[in-house]
Amino acid sequence: DTEVTQTPKHLVMGMTNKKSLKCEQHMGHRAMYWYKQKAKKPPELMFVYSYEKLSINESVPSRFSPECPNSSLLNLHLHALQPEDSALYLCASSLGPLNSNQPQHFGDGTRLSIL
Amino acid sequence: GENVEQHPSTLSVQEGDSAVIKCTYSDSASNYFPWYKQELGKRPQLIIDIRSNVGEKKDQRIAVTLNKTAKHFSLHITETQPEDSAVYFCAASRWGGADGLTFGKGTHLIIQP
Repeated sequence: DTEVTQTPKHLVMGMTNKKSLKCEQHMGHRAMYWYKQKAKKPPELMFVYSYEKLSINESVPSRFSPECPNSSLLNLHLHALQPEDSALYLCASSLGPLNSNQPQHFGDGTRLSIL
Repeated sequence: GENVEQHPSTLSVQEGDSAVIKCTYSDSASNYFPWYKQELGKRPQLIIDIRSNVGEKKDQRIAVTLNKTAKHFSLHITETQPEDSAVYFCAASRWGGADGLTFGKGTHLIIQP
């Protein structure tokens, strides 16, 4: 069973729209991640949050804005996206940096299509 | 940054035979190496992982080996079954996964009946 829950499962939006992706986990994990996965490609890291603070931004364009309101919730705010941003957006979580060598658990992802 | 190379990109084996997928990494500071299985339209699912202080780990039909000197790690699947058909990704991380994972390009494993 998926312990990381992502909503919505599918999202279609225009280039001028603003939308948000949501990720939730209740495993007590203190590290949360956003990855982008294009078809037939591996996941690519976008952002890492540790203890609700942004610790890594992999040079992601500002049209993607992450937010971590609390230890269980991670959002990705989207604005003025481009067609090439169409992809599967995966959220993951792990125990956190004070617990090294702990696996990341992935959600089912949000499949995003930009018209 | 870390670079992970994975081979082969496609692997076709007869049901019941063994499959081996190989990865190399570039960053000597990497210390955590998970393997994920991803079926079409599904999330990546962790199948096994290995830490840098261990040379080999087994879990039933699946095993992973790590050679830190050569910066090389491999996934071994024995007695393959049709449900093993999927894309397999290796990955590497410097802080046990806490800094995010760098993935290889993936191997499409096809189990022929």
